[in-house]
Amino acid sequence: GNSVTQMEGPVTLSEEAFLTINCTYTATGYPSLFWYVQYPGEGLQLLLKATKADDKGSNKGFEATYRKETTSFHLEKGSVQVSDSAVYFCALLYNYGQNFVFGPGTRLSVLP
Amino acid sequence: DGGITQSPKYLFRKEGQNVTLSCEQNLNHDAMYWYRQDPGQGLRLIYYSQIVNDFQKGDIAEGYSVSREKKESFPLTVTSAQKNPTAFYLCASSIEQSGNYGYTFGSGTRLTVV
Repeated sequence: GNSVTQMEGPVTLSEEAFLTINCTYTATGYPSLFWYVQYPGEGLQLLLKATKADDKGSNKGFEATYRKETTSFHLEKGSVQVSDSAVYFCALLYNYGQNFVFGPGTRLSVLP
Repeated sequence: DGGITQSPKYLFRKEGQNVTLSCEQNLNHDAMYWYRQDPGQGLRLIYYSQIVNDFQKGDIAEGYSVSREKKESFPLTVTSAQKNPTAFYLCASSIEQSGNYGYTFGSGTRLTVV
């Protein structure tokens, strides 16, 4: 079936460190891929997305590239800030017109 | 500003009670969704609705019910048949049925059984 796997957290980094959160997926067909961010006590916000192979999504300094050959969509940021502390969810949208499959989330803590 | 409003933010339910969680959107989105979030787990789909007066079961619909009488509103009822209802509930909407533009989420309702 369709599934999303993320690296286990929590991930703890110092401010200005480089961030990578791994995400791999299993899906039939050609899903669209998304990263969502959830700040404490809030709902999820769309961070970035990519709809086809080799597309790169980017927003607020975060980037992720849709790699079909490795079925991956790793999230990266060159220099994290304390305000980036949140839970990050990788998700795929399969079967156009159907629903999302979310990964379990990775908690990021950035220390000053 | 347009968005999704969920209420209440915190809700306490006694054993055997039904409770209803509100979700309202003023984004003119066609599709709406209810998810359940448990600690350390991803979101699981409860119900979704792609048009008014129509809705479909998601992966964990047992013990829940919904209605979609208006485009703006998609309330979720947690019935007494739901044996483990304590969780964080998220409502979402998308501009079209495909969801390919991503979802807009509300800020959630935390339900606790007391």
